[in-house]
Amino acid sequence: GAGVSQSPRYKVAKRGQDVALRCDPISGHVSLFWYQQALGQGPEFLTYFQNEAQLDKSGLPSDRFFAERPEGSVSTLKIQRTQQEDSAVYLCASTRTGGNEKLFFGSGTQLSVL
Amino acid sequence: DQQVKQNSPSLSVQEGRISILNCDYTNSMFDYFLWYKKYPAEGPTFLISISSIKDKNEDGRFTVFLNKSAKHLSLHIVPSQPGDSAVYFCAASALNTDKLIFGTGTRLQVFP
Repeated sequence: GAGVSQSPRYKVAKRGQDVALRCDPISGHVSLFWYQQALGQGPEFLTYFQNEAQLDKSGLPSDRFFAERPEGSVSTLKIQRTQQEDSAVYLCASTRTGGNEKLFFGSGTQLSVL
Repeated sequence: DQQVKQNSPSLSVQEGRISILNCDYTNSMFDYFLWYKKYPAEGPTFLISISSIKDKNEDGRFTVFLNKSAKHLSLHIVPSQPGDSAVYFCAASALNTDKLIFGTGTRLQVFP
């Protein structure tokens, strides 16, 4: 079936604006992860869902970042009052079972905050 | 504090030769290691993995070696092909955790 789908592909926001990034995982995948990748760096963990339960949000950098997966499928990462340091590629990944083996990544949303 | 380090930002190899990408880690609790490959404008794609109970895992042209005492792993690609040109990320996870810790990546260029 289709892979992990993320939208929008690119997002330009003015500083202080709220943004919402969407992730459609592979159908039937239980686990869903969000990672942030700054320019020239590797992906950094933000948060993890197993079905609709958010089991780990230790990587969210501040309380401006919020993620949800209300029906255990589509997930949304929301960033409030965006700042320039939020500029990065936001990657979503899913796996069939719990845990992090063989994550299937989407192409990411590139967020630029001006 | 970088727990997973890829000290070579780039590597250039001739087609047909061996590519060796290196990765060092500091956390002795890591027990599972993975390599991901990333093309521009795409998400990372899983390549190969190894558990800490092994010291080698092979899949076609790709072999990963793990040296636990040195906290070092390497990815060997032989023979290298132009299509292997990409950024390679090393990643690690610890038992009973859900997150992967990634290195900063090595850009591999395979030239004809």
